[in-house]
Amino acid sequence: DQQVKQNSPSLSVQEGRISILNCDYTNSMFDYFLWYKKYPAEGPTFLISISSIKDKNEDGRFTVFLNKSAKHLSLHIVPSQPGDSAVYFCAASAYSGGGADGLTFGKGTHLIIQP
Amino acid sequence: EAGVVQSPRYKIIEKKQPVAFWCNPISGHNTLYWYRQNLGQGPELLIRYENEEAVDDSQLPKDRFSAERLKGVDSTLKIQPAELGDSAVYLCASSPWDRGSGANVLTFGAGSRLTVL
Repeated sequence: DQQVKQNSPSLSVQEGRISILNCDYTNSMFDYFLWYKKYPAEGPTFLISISSIKDKNEDGRFTVFLNKSAKHLSLHIVPSQPGDSAVYFCAASAYSGGGADGLTFGKGTHLIIQP
Repeated sequence: EAGVVQSPRYKIIEKKQPVAFWCNPISGHNTLYWYRQNLGQGPELLIRYENEEAVDDSQLPKDRFSAERLKGVDSTLKIQPAELGDSAVYLCASSPWDRGSGANVLTFGAGSRLTVL
């Protein structure tokens, strides 16, 4: 049973336009959410995160929105640039209080920025 | 600052052979993770260490997989014997996890790609 779902395996966006990547989760205990970016033959790189006490977090061209009632989060990239072409993973963790839980990842969305 | 270092980057072995992967986390990060990533999938947690203690190894196939983290720094993940289904990328990550806020940002290494023939 997948607890973090990214239902779009791929997404193609024109350079300069907005890219919107979506993620759904089922575990109501998740309280911290992250997006990672991955280039081929490299490890995932942290991009942006959001705590469950917030509904929006912005960092430059990247904004993450969290809708707790819908158990849904999205990553907005604007404007999209060619270097943004990569696989994006949504991840979540639950604060157990007794230790740092590992992250649970979605399957990823391959973002392709068209020139 | 040096990142998470993993070796080897690539390993090709025949089934039933043993293989070991090594990880050096970021200095000062007390939490270390091993993940496995199959083709077209997201990373899946195998084991998590707090210092030298394995606090979550529930997803580690213990019949053939073993891990250790001596002195709470470097870690080794071993597979013996390897099976065809073990072909994957093995990722090591570390974090300084903020207990106060619950923020848990992992930094990943480049991974070790294993091919079992």
